[in-house]
Amino acid sequence: TQLLEQSPQFLSIQEGENLTVYCNSSSVFSSLQWYRQEPGEGPVLLVTVVTGGEVKKLKRLTFQFGDARKDSSLHITAAQPGDTGLYLCAGAVPTGKLIFGQGTTLQVKP
Amino acid sequence: NAGVTQTPKFRVLKTGQSMTLQCAQDMNHEYMYWYRQDPGMGLRLIHYSVGEGTTAKGEVPDGYNVSRLKKQNFLLGLESAAPSQTSVYFCASNPNGPRGQPQHFGDGTRLSIL
Repeated sequence: TQLLEQSPQFLSIQEGENLTVYCNSSSVFSSLQWYRQEPGEGPVLLVTVVTGGEVKKLKRLTFQFGDARKDSSLHITAAQPGDTGLYLCAGAVPTGKLIFGQGTTLQVKP
Repeated sequence: NAGVTQTPKFRVLKTGQSMTLQCAQDMNHEYMYWYRQDPGMGLRLIHYSVGEGTTAKGEVPDGYNVSRLKKQNFLLGLESAAPSQTSVYFCASNPNGPRGQPQHFGDGTRLSIL
């Protein structure tokens, strides 16, 4: 069974602080996606990383795919209350499925 | 743009009752998926389909059945609902597999089994 361990599960920080969310596995994924989910809605894709070592930036969010394509991180600089939500990582496997991490609930206080 | 539409949005069932959750997508996507989301467990794949007329089991298929008679529709059935199936159910679609392609999610069906 392929597992994707996401940490931390909960994070409560003050506006302006930086944070990093980690996604780790012993399995290799063909790509890794990060989603953000608001209450009462489905997850929405933030980014997909495909190549080992790849780094993508989306405004204040930086996503990195590990060299071996087994792990990934999401770093948020100067967090804003609008960043509050559930962040999910998901690894793609060749059979066409996504394996999701447990999610990180982020609360950014004004 | 409708995207992925799930019905119903909420439902309360008694143990032993049956029901079908409906999912429709208007993007002509080949792949469709059913997930359940429980606190602290992320999204777990129940069943999925790689095209019209095909279905396959995911991580947690027991107690559920699915059908993909038309490309745009993917139905999830609970034959005899159990309290352990209380969850939020999400349907998703993807053009041709998740590698590099986003999954498009519906807004979920919140199901309570009493």
